Amino acid sequence: DGGITQSPKYLFRKEGQNVTLSCEQNLNHDAMYWYRQDPGQGLRLIYYSQIVNDFQKGDIAEGYSVSREKKESFPLTVTSAQKNPTAFYLCASRSLLGERNQPQHFGDGTRLSIL
Amino acid sequence: SQKIEQNSEALNIQEGKTATLTCNYTNYSPAYLQWYRQDPGRGPVFLLLIRENEKEKRKERLKVTFDTTLKQSLFHITASQPADSATYLCALDITGGGNKLTFGTGTQLKVEL
Repeated sequence: DGGITQSPKYLFRKEGQNVTLSCEQNLNHDAMYWYRQDPGQGLRLIYYSQIVNDFQKGDIAEGYSVSREKKESFPLTVTSAQKNPTAFYLCASRSLLGERNQPQHFGDGTRLSIL
Repeated sequence: SQKIEQNSEALNIQEGKTATLTCNYTNYSPAYLQWYRQDPGRGPVFLLLIRENEKEKRKERLKVTFDTTLKQSLFHITASQPADSATYLCALDITGGGNKLTFGTGTQLKVEL
């Protein structure tokens, strides 16, 4: 089945540690997105990418980094500079073909907590 | 500043009634508006899209309206069922927004027997 796979489902970070969240899609979508979701704050965009080897900062990029070396993969690194990393992280992808009305397809998220 | 507002209070309704959720926005010029459903611990799932030149869109028990003058979208679920209980998010696709969506905070719907 086509879809987006995020791993791990739960992740714990120690102080001063970088952690990487995986996001893989087999939908052949060009665009991929990372969101952070906190209670009562909805989804906030961290980074997005519309093509391999290119990505743009979203609204809350500080303390995060990404790479887009392959079309299928868009990993997110939460660095030690992110002082409040505890949240639910969602990855999404979207087709950029055809009309500009394509929905985003989401993975089932990674819940990150601080030890 | 740009804002998307959804009712932060949970909406509780009885089974069989029509649920109406509201999405208001300010200082945006959306080309499209989308509605998603999110269950606890899961990613959002796309439900419906409506374009700026459309007034209404239907899909089975779902109906969305879009009033660009009022800057408001209404999302209706008719003949609601307990299985409709979830959080519903609206998202704006803004003209010139670079293929990004801006999401509202979501409204939790609870359908009771």
